[in-house]
Amino acid sequence: DAGITQSPRYKITETGRQVTLMCHQTWSHSYMFWYRQDLGHGLRLIYYSAAADITDKGEVPDGYVVSRSKTENFPLTLESATRSQTSVYFCASSGLAGGSHEQYFGPGTRLTVT
Amino acid sequence: SQQGEEDPQALSIQEGENATMNCSYKTSINNLQWYRQNSGRGLVHLILIRSNEREKHSGRLRVTLDTSKKSSSLLITASRAADTASYFCATDEEDKIIFGKGTRLHILP
Repeated sequence: DAGITQSPRYKITETGRQVTLMCHQTWSHSYMFWYRQDLGHGLRLIYYSAAADITDKGEVPDGYVVSRSKTENFPLTLESATRSQTSVYFCASSGLAGGSHEQYFGPGTRLTVT
Repeated sequence: SQQGEEDPQALSIQEGENATMNCSYKTSINNLQWYRQNSGRGLVHLILIRSNEREKHSGRLRVTLDTSKKSSSLLITASRAADTASYFCATDEEDKIIFGKGTRLHILP
């Protein structure tokens, strides 16, 4: 299917476990982003990538790891999940840098860490 | 760091009325965007306004930008039940954008 997809849509995991959230886009957009959305905080950028093999930290990167071996995929890994990482995670992509172009968002992954 | 800050945090209006929400930001920008988020969904881009533009329209949406006051407003005219959503402004910062915390808009029947 065309567009941007995220999997899984819902995930419950235990504290200390590793979990990977997947993001896939079919537009060959250069830029991809991971955000977390929490009540009272809005959307906060975790990591972003300008191209394959290029990643950079956002506002709240601690506890997360990303990779981008292929343009279309941008997985987000929580190496050792903590309760504070319970959140809704959104992946987005954009054809151009910065605020000069719109971002397209996936449907989100609701992650609960128990 | 949160660049944009929306006001009000929540807004309830009657269907058919106009809704206005505001965004203030701290540092100079090149572009400002507005997004909508329906409950449980991802964000959807509404409109982008560049720093050299003062006003932009898209259907029932009107966005203004005042760079001297570092503020923007989003006006939704003739509101509908389907406009119930959260609205976010986003300002550019290098090669990314920074979102505000949003305004929750509720359209009353």
